[in-house]
Formats: sequence, structure tokens, C-alpha cells
Amino acid sequence: GQNIDQPTEMTATEGAIVQINCTYQTSGFNGLFWYQQHAGEAPTFLSYNVLDGLEEKGRFSSFLSRSKGYSYLLLKELQMKDSASYLCAVRVHNTNAGKSTFGDGTTLTVKP
Amino acid sequence: GAVVSQHPSWVICKSGTSVKIECRSLDFQATTMFWYRQFPKQSLMLMATSNEGSKATYEQGVEKDKFLINHASLTLSTLTVTSAHPEDSSFYICSADSSSGYNEQFFGPGTRLTVL
Repeated sequence: GQNIDQPTEMTATEGAIVQINCTYQTSGFNGLFWYQQHAGEAPTFLSYNVLDGLEEKGRFSSFLSRSKGYSYLLLKELQMKDSASYLCAVRVHNTNAGKSTFGDGTTLTVKP
Repeated sequence: GAVVSQHPSWVICKSGTSVKIECRSLDFQATTMFWYRQFPKQSLMLMATSNEGSKATYEQGVEKDKFLINHASLTLSTLTVTSAHPEDSSFYICSADSSSGYNEQFFGPGTRLTVL
């Protein structure tokens, strides 16, 4: 199986930058996903990394280091609506995205 | 992006009854759909992979006779929770792969099941 670790909770200020880390231990790594989930809603896709490096998409960026089993999600110019749970998910081998294993999520609270 | 719907969005039932949850891909065909369960303040746990035209593949520890999955068409998968009990109360979410099948999945809005 896979071990995926994320901080349980984080708090940041509106307008600031926050980095949410995710570490994983797995064999046959084949991609890492980040999802955003608001309370009572289903997750929405944020990013996908399979090669080392940084993927930037607007205010959100995701970084991957396969050798270190490490990823982070970077949120810039935080807005109140960014308060949500952020899920890191790892896919192994040659499987569908839906077969990914999810971390427990990081609950981010953005304060004024 | 692709849209996945679920019905109902919430349901309350008595213990011992069965509940059917539908998952539909609205603007694309999904040969594979996934069913997850999420308890409060916990992450998503994959229950089973639903394959169009064939039997579902269940994850370890998930009772296939209790959680019946049918994927009769390329746009519809159903999950039936049979003889539901209070411990089955949870948030059930389905997803479908993108057309590429690998790099993205689209989630339904989820179904909140409460068993009294």
C-alpha cells in the first residue's frame, strides 16, 4: 500500500501565500494529484504531477520530487473562498486516476 | 470539463432498508466509474471500481453483497446499499475518468446517506 502524509490543519491570512506539503511512500509511483474539497461537497481537481518540477496554474502551483517522495501545493494571494480541505492522492503503476490513494487531507482556514 | 451527476443528493432511511444511488456522466461516456465513501473529517476511501458491462471490482474489506454495483450503460452506474444500518451513514461519492482515462477524474456532487 501507500503511506501518504499531510498536515491535518493549517491557518493562513487572506492575501498571503501558503504551502501544503505531502509526503508519500510507495512503489510504482505514477502520478500525484491535488484536489480541493469544500465541506459537504465532492473534491475538485486542482493539479497533476508525474515528472519532477513545478506546475503552475493561476494562483495554484504544485511541485513534485519523486526522489524525495514529496510534493507541495502552493496557494498564492489567498482568498476566503480558499478555505477548504486539500487532498493529496497518489496513483501507482498503470492505473486509472480513480484508483489513486488519498491522503487524509489538510484543512486550510483562511482568516481576514 | 466533464460533468458527473449523482442522485439523490441526500437520503434518510430506516435501518434495514435498501438505498440506491445513481451516478451519471452527463456529457461523456465512462467505461469506468469509481465509488468512494467518506466519513466525517476523513479522506475518501475507494470502495469499488465499476466497469461497464462487467462485474465491479471491490476493494479489500468492502462487502460486495452489501454494496451492489451495476454499470449497465456507458453513462450510468448505480450503488445499492442493501439492508442499511446506521454505521453505513456516510458521504458516498462517485467519479468517472476523463476521456484520456489517466490524468483526471471527475467527481459527482456526492450523496449524503443517513440511516436511522
